[in-house]
Amino acid sequence: QSALTQPASVSGSPGQSITISCTGTSSDIGGYNYVSWYQRHPGKAPKLMIYDVSNRPSGVSNRFSGSKSGNTASLTISGLQAEDEADYYCSSYTDSSILLFGGGTKLAVL
Amino acid sequence: EVQLLESGGGLVQPGGSLRLSCAASGFTFSSYAMTWVRQAPGKGLECVSVISNSGGGTYYADSVRGRFTISRDNSKNTVYLQMTRLRGEDTAIYYCAKDFKGTYIVQAVSAWGQGTLVTVSS
Repeated sequence: QSALTQPASVSGSPGQSITISCTGTSSDIGGYNYVSWYQRHPGKAPKLMIYDVSNRPSGVSNRFSGSKSGNTASLTISGLQAEDEADYYCSSYTDSSILLFGGGTKLAVL
Repeated sequence: EVQLLESGGGLVQPGGSLRLSCAASGFTFSSYAMTWVRQAPGKGLECVSVISNSGGGTYYADSVRGRFTISRDNSKNTVYLQMTRLRGEDTAIYYCAKDFKGTYIVQAVSAWGQGTLVTVSS
């Protein structure tokens, strides 16, 4: 049960698009369409941004989108805004019936 | 409004025990699987245990299996985490969290408590 692999940091300028990858195995990401993404601002609880690979909960901007190919999932944020600067975590349902999280990616909006 | 309020954290010696509680409100508790997620200092999130909506299914991370026990009382809208044989690496903020969709298992988390700090140290 090693953590899913995410880049430690990514950055982009306002208006640009960025993509955060999340790599697992066939026991988690590759085996299930239950990948979710969370946004976390300092001192705040994580906020669900994407569930079931590519679905957005009500109220989440359509600038956020998710996808999956094999054992790798991706979160894309288009039209970057200053308020998007935060930590992003991916997670996946696993063969062990628990969630496995990624190590987190710090997004800087330059 | 969904609210999750954890309690029971504190300082405990290695090898000791602690029981965390999470009181839930604002949703039909018995319809949702629940999970405990922890974050050690400077580390990412780790799901340590999941319990099904009825309590009939319990699941654990390898790092805590055999030492931690999750349970729930649907009459009290409360989920528990009994932690035994605690180690230094169990030091973390422990969050109670709710499944998003209302299924037997946790596929995504839609609400989190504020967390309770567990420190394992002599």
